[in-house]
Amino acid sequence: AQRVTQPEKLLSVFKGAPVELKCNYSYSGSPELFWYVQYSRQRLQLLLRHISRESIKGFTADLNKGETSFHLKKPFAQEEDSAMYYCALKYNFNKFYFGSGTKLNVKP
Amino acid sequence: DTEVTQTPKHLVMGMTNKKSLKCEQHMGHRAMYWYKQKAKKPPELMFVYSYEKLSINESVPSRFSPECPNSSLLNLHLHALQPEDSALYLCASSPPTVNTGELFFGEGSRLTVL
Repeated sequence: AQRVTQPEKLLSVFKGAPVELKCNYSYSGSPELFWYVQYSRQRLQLLLRHISRESIKGFTADLNKGETSFHLKKPFAQEEDSAMYYCALKYNFNKFYFGSGTKLNVKP
Repeated sequence: DTEVTQTPKHLVMGMTNKKSLKCEQHMGHRAMYWYKQKAKKPPELMFVYSYEKLSINESVPSRFSPECPNSSLLNLHLHALQPEDSALYLCASSPPTVNTGELFFGEGSRLTVL
């Protein structure tokens, strides 16, 4: 069965510190993985998708099939990065399964 | 128009009421979704429509009845709900791209069942 695990419910870092939000997945097929973000009082929106291998707002995420991980990283956190982050797995063409989420709090 | 619009934003209903949630998008997306999100929990998939046909029903109770009248509209009809159905109901759509389709979410309809 497919599963997405985000082990940290809350991650607090100081501004300028590196940040890594962990995501591990379990899926027998070829995974498509995404990071979604929800800022306060805003809708859930896409941050990154593994297939694009892009950097958005300084965040990157690399799919590691050996470790079945898709961790989200940023070298220098900013206060405006404070938000709820969800790792999501797309499978069976149209199904998206969301991890439990990690709340990132960047302190000044 | 690059947004998914949901109405109403808030809805309070009794257990015997019948109400509907509405979702609209004009981005040409051919897949539309209903998700349910309880407080401090991730979104949980309820239904998926693909090209106006119901393609996925995640064993949702029949008191929730989805409808897709056309490619831009998605409704969720509610009848005889329970207090535990109180949640944020999110609509999403995705473009007709097999490999890179992402979800575009609405702001949600917050439902309270008394």
